Amino acid sequence: QSALTQPPSASGSPGQSVTISCTGTSSDVGGYNYVSWYQQHPGQAPKLLIYDVSKRPSGVPDRFSGSKSGNTASLTVSGLQAEDEADYYCSSYGGSNNDVFGTGTKVTVL
Amino acid sequence: QVQLVQSGAEVKKPGASVKASCKASGYTFTDYYIHWVRQAPGHGLEWMGWINPNSGGTSYAQKFQGRVTVTRDTSISTAYMELSRLTSDDTAVYYCARTTAHSLFDCWGQGVLVTVSS
Repeated sequence: QSALTQPPSASGSPGQSVTISCTGTSSDVGGYNYVSWYQQHPGQAPKLLIYDVSKRPSGVPDRFSGSKSGNTASLTVSGLQAEDEADYYCSSYGGSNNDVFGTGTKVTVL
Repeated sequence: QVQLVQSGAEVKKPGASVKASCKASGYTFTDYYIHWVRQAPGHGLEWMGWINPNSGGTSYAQKFQGRVTVTRDTSISTAYMELSRLTSDDTAVYYCARTTAHSLFDCWGQGVLVTVSS
């Protein structure tokens, strides 16, 4: 199972929006609605932001939203804030009891 | 509150094995799968495998087949991950994480740094 492809970096000014893509195949992202997104600050464990493509756990601001089209899932962070500067990872169920993570995207708030 | 607490950092020599633990609290241990995910320094997350604490059933990423073993002790709500034949490429932070559904890692341990060095 190959890692899902994410852009290495993304950036935006405070208040702007940034969208991160996560590209897989019909065997993972495109085949199941089991895509999640995680935020990871330096030295910390990842934190769940989005699950089942577009659902938010309680406590996650609605500035974070997810979507999917074909083999590509996307995470949009609206109204960028300084604390949103972090690494973001997608994950997907890959069938056959396997999961796979994305390559990760570093978001910089300018 | 739901919590996963992992064992402390380890330093191992090439060729050795490491066994990390992950103690769950705040929920019924046998109700949720425990996964292991690693992150090499400066790199991304890599899924390794899971255990169903209720049945003991496991699934591993093909990359780690034959080298990783995940077990559990339900009496103390603890999962274990043993990785054998270590090389320097195995130097990483190893996380345990709980899933409530496919690819839904809702609670993570603090991670344990495993350093492989001669």
